[in-house]
Amino acid sequence: AQKITQTQPGMFVQEKEAVTLDCTYDTSDQSYGLFWYKQPSSGEMIFLIYQGSYDEQNATEGRYSLNFQKARKSANLVISASQLGDSAMYFCAMREGLYGGSQGNLIFGKGTKLSVKP
Amino acid sequence: DGGITQSPKYLFRKEGQNVTLSCEQNLNHDAMYWYRQDPGQGLRLIYYSQIVNDFQKGDIAEGYSVSREKKESFPLTVTSAQKNPTAFYLCASSIDQGYNSPLHFGNGTRLTVT
Repeated sequence: AQKITQTQPGMFVQEKEAVTLDCTYDTSDQSYGLFWYKQPSSGEMIFLIYQGSYDEQNATEGRYSLNFQKARKSANLVISASQLGDSAMYFCAMREGLYGGSQGNLIFGKGTKLSVKP
Repeated sequence: DGGITQSPKYLFRKEGQNVTLSCEQNLNHDAMYWYRQDPGQGLRLIYYSQIVNDFQKGDIAEGYSVSREKKESFPLTVTSAQKNPTAFYLCASSIDQGYNSPLHFGNGTRLTVT
């Protein structure tokens, strides 16, 4: 079974508008972390934002925020005021505890390709 | 500046040859990882190491080998037994294996085998 599901293979957004990238996850662990990464066409993976399973507040980092709904097992990334440089692949990922099914390793979804239109 | 260095950026090899991809980090991280990425796909874990002189197989270890003789270095060898080696390879490190530790990635090596 997929542990991380990103249902939007591709998204378009107008420059300066906000966009939400969807991510749902599956785990039976109580302790886990959720991460979002950006991968531009050059290939490097850039860490954007982290949310822990015990965090009650949604994480924010500049224009990025994570809409964490624990009961629904969803961790959507919201990018506000989109810029042309935001065009990239975006990956949602999860780390469970060391004794969880994935031995503490980071598991990735298949990604969403975001294109920002001028 | 601390970071992870992967070399080379592009690598071309003939089928049947082993090839070694380099990964060096100066972040003083204990854990290191190798991932493979195929076009339009997410990342899949090949090998990981939580500490020097120890490493574990990930989800797709067949046809690959690693070593971890120094904290800073985690080279990956793609052997001739790997049936489909052409891919983008990413090395990463994290402070530890904790669920709240983000991975930091190198810039990747694009391997083409013909």
